[in-house]
Amino acid sequence: DQQVKQNSPSLSVQEGRISILNCDYTNSMFDYFLWYKKYPAEGPTFLISISSIKDKNEDGRFTVFLNKSAKHLSLHIVPSQPGDSAVYFCAPRRGQNFVFGPGTRLSVLP
Amino acid sequence: EAQVTQNPRYLITVTGKKLTVTCSQNMNHEYMSWYRQDPGLGLRQIYYSMNVEVTDKGDVPEGYKVSRKEKRNFPLILESPSPNQTSLYFCASSLGQSSTDTQYFGPGTRLTVL
Repeated sequence: DQQVKQNSPSLSVQEGRISILNCDYTNSMFDYFLWYKKYPAEGPTFLISISSIKDKNEDGRFTVFLNKSAKHLSLHIVPSQPGDSAVYFCAPRRGQNFVFGPGTRLSVLP
Repeated sequence: EAQVTQNPRYLITVTGKKLTVTCSQNMNHEYMSWYRQDPGLGLRQIYYSMNVEVTDKGDVPEGYKVSRKEKRNFPLILESPSPNQTSLYFCASSLGQSSTDTQYFGPGTRLTVL
């Protein structure tokens, strides 16, 4: 049973528009939530994170929202750029245990 | 340049032939971890280490061993590989145990067990 779900395997967005990537989790013990971005033939790279005591964190074009009661978080990218095309992983954390979602492949079309 | 390196990057082997995938980081990080990535499953944690001689199981440790004799190195050992261990493997490291510490990932090792 997967603890972390990203129900959209892929997403296509026009350049300049907003990209919204969603993540749902089941374990209420997660205390920190991270998003990673992965390009082909490379390892994942950290993008943005949020503590369980917050509901929003913003870093430039990237904003992560956390709804603890719904066990849901989302990543917003505004405006989307072609260089954002990658696979995005949601990764909640409990202590030293990271649980990655299956990923969403984002394609930003010029 | 701060980095996590893995070797080899690609490996094809046969069932039962012991192998080791090396991982090294040059950032003096305390925390290191191994993951495998499989289609539709994301990355699953195999083992992690919080410091030298301190290791613990992740979510999918069966069939794997690790050691942490030096801070910079964290090799992954498959004593008797089987075809279900065919996967893409990533090593990662982070500064410490703070919840704000992010992980830095290596480039990955693609393993095929025939």
